[in-house]
Amino acid sequence: EVQLVESGGGLVQPGRSLRLSCAASGFTFEDYAMHWVRQVPGRGLEWVSGISWNSGGIGYADSVKGRFTISRDNAKNSLYLQMNSLKTEDTALYYCAKGHDYSNYVYFNYWGQGTLVTVSS
Amino acid sequence: EIVLTQSPGTLSLSPGERATLSCRASQSVSSNYLAWYQQKPGQAPSLLIYGASSRATGIPDRFSGSRSGTDFTLTISRLEPEDFAVYYCQQYGSSSVTFGQGTKLEIK
Repeated sequence: EVQLVESGGGLVQPGRSLRLSCAASGFTFEDYAMHWVRQVPGRGLEWVSGISWNSGGIGYADSVKGRFTISRDNAKNSLYLQMNSLKTEDTALYYCAKGHDYSNYVYFNYWGQGTLVTVSS
Repeated sequence: EIVLTQSPGTLSLSPGERATLSCRASQSVSSNYLAWYQQKPGQAPSLLIYGASSRATGIPDRFSGSRSGTDFTLTISRLEPEDFAVYYCQQYGSSSVTFGQGTKLEIK
């Protein structure tokens, strides 16, 4: 059974940093692209960032480019999102999502339950 | 960036009726790289359709997807009570993934 478990969310002040993690199990992690998608409660989905199977292909939404860094550790079956210079508009539930194959051109066939990030003073 | 515009914003129908949800892309979506997701309150999204018209594993055949140019459609042939939810389209034909803003399907 595929499982994606996010962690690392919480309350943080504007301008500070936070690192999200996603622990994956139930599939061969190193074979698939992984992504982060966020959702402000009560609002729509916003793609944040994605990384291909070998970290050779990485993309970011314009809203986070230069502030967020995605990475993965295939040996630990883990995905990460380093979020720096956080803004109040980054407040959202952050989902980890598994791509359907190894590339960056993927739909998401599994999602975690999300970790909530609240940016507020 | 490819912008996806979903319509209507809210669709009010009764169980047993047919639902037609639209997703229009601002430019061509390569290789039919469009997916549909269903999201129920308090839950993560779940995949319904990929490749514009292929049903994901376990999705009943009352759900179908189609494409005409830059217009994509999700059709639910006969609504079941569990189908009332929010639906999102997503394009994955460019390196920058985008979602539509969602259509809420509510019980009339």
